[in-house]
Amino acid sequence: NAGVTQTPKFRVLKTGQSMTLLCAQDMNHEYMYWYRQDPGMGLRLIHYSVGEGTTAKGEVPDGYNVSRLKKQNFLLGLESAAPSQTSVYFCASSYTGRSGYTFGSGTRLTVV
Amino acid sequence: AQKITQTQPGMFVQEKEAVTLDCTYDTSDPSYGLFWYKQPSSGEMIFLIYQGSYDQQNATEGRYSLNFQKARKSANLVISASQLGDSAMYFCAMREPPTQGGSEKLVFGKGMKLTVNP
Repeated sequence: NAGVTQTPKFRVLKTGQSMTLLCAQDMNHEYMYWYRQDPGMGLRLIHYSVGEGTTAKGEVPDGYNVSRLKKQNFLLGLESAAPSQTSVYFCASSYTGRSGYTFGSGTRLTVV
Repeated sequence: AQKITQTQPGMFVQEKEAVTLDCTYDTSDPSYGLFWYKQPSSGEMIFLIYQGSYDQQNATEGRYSLNFQKARKSANLVISASQLGDSAMYFCAMREPPTQGGSEKLVFGKGMKLTVNP
């Protein structure tokens, strides 16, 4: 099925560990986004990409890095996880940034 | 500064009744878009409806309609004939115009919880 796929769906990390969240889309979308969702805060943009090889910071980029080596994939990295990064992470993609946004099913990350 | 404001943290409605979910926004750009998403307890984000700032008519999608009042900067979601399956979190979002060197992106409100009672 066409759409946005996020892996993993759940993960528990210890403080200081690193990990990478993968977002893959098969809709040939140029724009991809990483959001985090915390209770009472809505979704906040971490980083985004407007095309292969380009990335930019969003509202809450600290502690995260991203890469877009292939058009269909957008990776979110945590180099040294902190409890404050416990959250649900959503990836989204859009053809132009002006058109509809398709969301993945989310990754629930807990840092202990 | 809050660009999308959803003031109702939670609402209750009886099944089959209509309900309005409030959303106000703040932008000085004449070109923007407004979205509503539903997030059920399973967690996925489901697109409901879209309104462009230049659209002449209010958007409608089945039981969903958007009461777009441009001068008041409000984009309220109206759900007609509520169903039990409408119980969920609802998020209003605005497609924010590009900033210098940046790109258009979605900015979300904090959401509100709708509970439909039988």
